[in-house]
Amino acid sequence: NAGVTQTPKFRVLKTGQSMTLLCAQDMNHEYMYWYRQDPGMGLRLIHYSVGEGTTAKGEVPDGYNVSRLKKQNFLLGLESAAPSQTSVYFCASRHTTSATDTQYFGPGTRLTVL
Amino acid sequence: RKEVEQDPGPFNVPEGATVAFNCTYSNSASQSFFWYRQDCRKEPKLLMSVYSSGNEDGRFTAQLNRASQYISLLIRDSKLSDSATYLCVVFRASGGSYIPTFGRGTSLIVHP
Repeated sequence: NAGVTQTPKFRVLKTGQSMTLLCAQDMNHEYMYWYRQDPGMGLRLIHYSVGEGTTAKGEVPDGYNVSRLKKQNFLLGLESAAPSQTSVYFCASRHTTSATDTQYFGPGTRLTVL
Repeated sequence: RKEVEQDPGPFNVPEGATVAFNCTYSNSASQSFFWYRQDCRKEPKLLMSVYSSGNEDGRFTAQLNRASQYISLLIRDSKLSDSATYLCVVFRASGGSYIPTFGRGTSLIVHP
């Protein structure tokens, strides 16, 4: 299993450009999450999905859109990048049973918006 | 008041010391609780879940106090490899789903 992978690992954008971050998981998990992590701010939830075809807003959704057309993929889009979106973006999938509840994180995407 | 609060530290302790972190949460409807560990510039990884009855995993003990709305993590016999940031995570019910909220993390530095 590759676990959770994120593409790309690094990206530099100019203000106003658009891009899509891809998160892929091969563990057949229903739940997937996009977070951003800024210095001193911890991880903040951007959007999440409880299953294929469903998405919902998290704590900081403005400026982002998401899609979950396939269960294994969760895409995060920036339509018009702003310097305030410079951050490290983490994707996670979540596995829950009666005995366990674990989020598995990807390695992160480091995005700089100039 | 932030929904989930942690003392950012850093906690600077010698090897072999016992250290404890607390994490307070404000939403009384919070359902489940976890501690994650994050090494510098890496992704977070689950350290342990936190149960009402308390739970232990080797040198690590986690406890939940619902009445006072906080969770704790105790690390005994600290190792150099325990140096990391410890994140508490709280899930609360919202619109039929469970939403995770992370604390800002507590930095631990274990020195020789």
